[in-house]
Amino acid sequence: NAGVTQTPKFQVLKTGQSMTLQCAQDMNHNSMYWYRQDPGMGLRLIYYSASEGTTDKGEVPNGYNVSRLNKREFSLRLESAAPSQTSVYFCASSGRTGDGYTFGSGTRLTVV
Amino acid sequence: DQQVKQNSPSLSVQEGRISILNCDYTNSMFDYFLWYKKYPAEGPTFLISISSIKDKNEDGRFTVFLNKSAKHLSLHIVPSQPGDSAVYFCAASAWANKFGQGTRLTINP
Repeated sequence: NAGVTQTPKFQVLKTGQSMTLQCAQDMNHNSMYWYRQDPGMGLRLIYYSASEGTTDKGEVPNGYNVSRLNKREFSLRLESAAPSQTSVYFCASSGRTGDGYTFGSGTRLTVV
Repeated sequence: DQQVKQNSPSLSVQEGRISILNCDYTNSMFDYFLWYKKYPAEGPTFLISISSIKDKNEDGRFTVFLNKSAKHLSLHIVPSQPGDSAVYFCAASAWANKFGQGTRLTINP
């Protein structure tokens, strides 16, 4: 009964390095999302995938790319990390419209 | 553009009393409204939702009220318990959840 699993939990990057955040869900949900949480800003949508094979930009997509590898997995890639990307990243999934999201436990990323 | 706003960063309530968390929105196209609870170092957890065609939804100690004319929703927790201490986010849904900034609720014994 894992729900949404995110890896890694913590990561420190140097400016300019790249990395991929992994997310997998086992609830057979169609939709998956990537959010970032910054102090005083709530959660802001980076990218989402309404179904397998589709991805769309959210509010703050610059500097990120995503891949919906299959129905279970949705990864987020930082090609050239910047200090402004220091944040906590959450992956989420949902079934039907109006259903609450199930979130992973987050990845705390620091870019120095 | 802050389409979903929680104007109170924090709220302190005595155990057993009612907690009322507020949220305002600007976009009439939202079709669902949701509340999430978040503990430190964990992801948000879905609490309760309401469709835009309703004005009240209740689930145990939690009730959400929606006032469409005022573009305002609120979450009532009765009675408040120490385990309710957390950050609460409201969200409004069109094609994806748009979140407010969060309100930190502290329940005092």
